Amino acid sequence: DAKTTQPPSMDCAEGRAANLPCNHSTISGNEYVYWYRQIHSQGPQYIIHGLKNNETNEMASLIITEDRKSSTLILPHATLRDTAVYYCIVRPQSGNTPLVFGKGTRLSVIA
Amino acid sequence: GAVVSQHPSRVICKSGTSVKIECRSLDFQATTMFWYRQFPKQSLMLMATSNEGSKATYEQGVEKDKFLINHASLTLSTLTVTSAHPEDSSFYICSAGTSGRPETQYFGPGTRLLVL
Repeated sequence: DAKTTQPPSMDCAEGRAANLPCNHSTISGNEYVYWYRQIHSQGPQYIIHGLKNNETNEMASLIITEDRKSSTLILPHATLRDTAVYYCIVRPQSGNTPLVFGKGTRLSVIA
Repeated sequence: GAVVSQHPSRVICKSGTSVKIECRSLDFQATTMFWYRQFPKQSLMLMATSNEGSKATYEQGVEKDKFLINHASLTLSTLTVTSAHPEDSSFYICSAGTSGRPETQYFGPGTRLLVL
């Protein structure tokens, strides 16, 4: 079973920041937080991951709370092409373990 | 990011036939690849772990004799759906991990299988 909880859906206006929350209250000390997204009829796309510090790359920013029990993925300027299902996944840092997908958040970016 | 390819992207076959799906890591080597299945409006479900040079590990409820997995090299894993039936129609997706700590999984574009 997935160890994360996400809202089933969210809307965001085009050009605005999209903030996607994720709860992972049972996360262990050696587990990273990963974010992926899946655009309709495509394979999941890696976005970002983090352990305890905030992270930023060309796609998004990841804000992890100090107690690591929740995190927020931020898309700073959402576009229509960001419409997708976003998955928050926790996973151990060691070993080549598979990703366990929950139901994710369906983000709809509206013009 | 790293690139994972799948072939074919979509396939239609008759009931009772076998279908082979290829998963390749194009710019990195992967000792382990994973196979997932996704039904409409559902999330990805892990089917099996493909290990280079050894037998695959299957998730509970996945028939190993029906879904044959071969991982003959560090860049190629194949999934063969044997004696396919309409209920096997689904979106099949593979993933492969790059080296590093932690390693990051990259996914193929998926193969849509329709069994008539």
